Amino acid sequence: DTAVSQTPKYLVTQMGNDKSIKCEQNLGHDTMYWYKQDSKKFLKIMFSYNNKELIINETVPNRFSPKSPDKAHLNLHINSLELGDSAVYFCASRSVQETQYFGPGTRLLVL
Amino acid sequence: DQQVKQNSPSLSVQEGRISILNCDYTNSMFDYFLWYKKYPAEGPTFLISISSIKDKNEDGRFTVFLNKSAKHLSLHIVPSQPGDSAVYFCAATPYSGAGSYQLTFGKGTKLSVIP
Repeated sequence: DTAVSQTPKYLVTQMGNDKSIKCEQNLGHDTMYWYKQDSKKFLKIMFSYNNKELIINETVPNRFSPKSPDKAHLNLHINSLELGDSAVYFCASRSVQETQYFGPGTRLLVL
Repeated sequence: DQQVKQNSPSLSVQEGRISILNCDYTNSMFDYFLWYKKYPAEGPTFLISISSIKDKNEDGRFTVFLNKSAKHLSLHIVPSQPGDSAVYFCAATPYSGAGSYQLTFGKGTKLSVIP
């Protein structure tokens, strides 16, 4: 069983399009995250949700909007995609032991 | 401003030898530190952690050492195995209690264990 899953795994799209990435965790965790790993390989947090409420919202363009329909899901919607949005996006959820479990990543390429 | 630095982008070690991966941090508020391992095309997986009240934590072949005064931590893998070849990320957080917390990651060190 996959603990944290993301779909799609690969996403290739044109500039200006709107796309969504889905994340689901079956670990019963209360907190979920979105990270971006850019071309320089830095893993940077974008958002954090705790019990469906936004906790952390780093300096991310308004074009990025997380949506948490329930505790087990945290989806990322991106409007008007730009070339610089090309990156690997990781979803994660947190255990009470304070470790984060990561999904396999979604590789987004904006052409 | 990199608050967590892994200055060695890569490291090669012979199988059976010790691998030592280093990490430095600048934020004095960090009090909980983690190491993650990442294989290509997969997400990072948690390896080992250490709280600032400790200076050493051991789990099998993996040991993490923390030197708070130097703001330095290291991960020792002994003996190193070919399956350990991966990218290792150091991460830190200023908050080790309940509730949400924010991890700051280093850039990673790619470890290659040569058979």
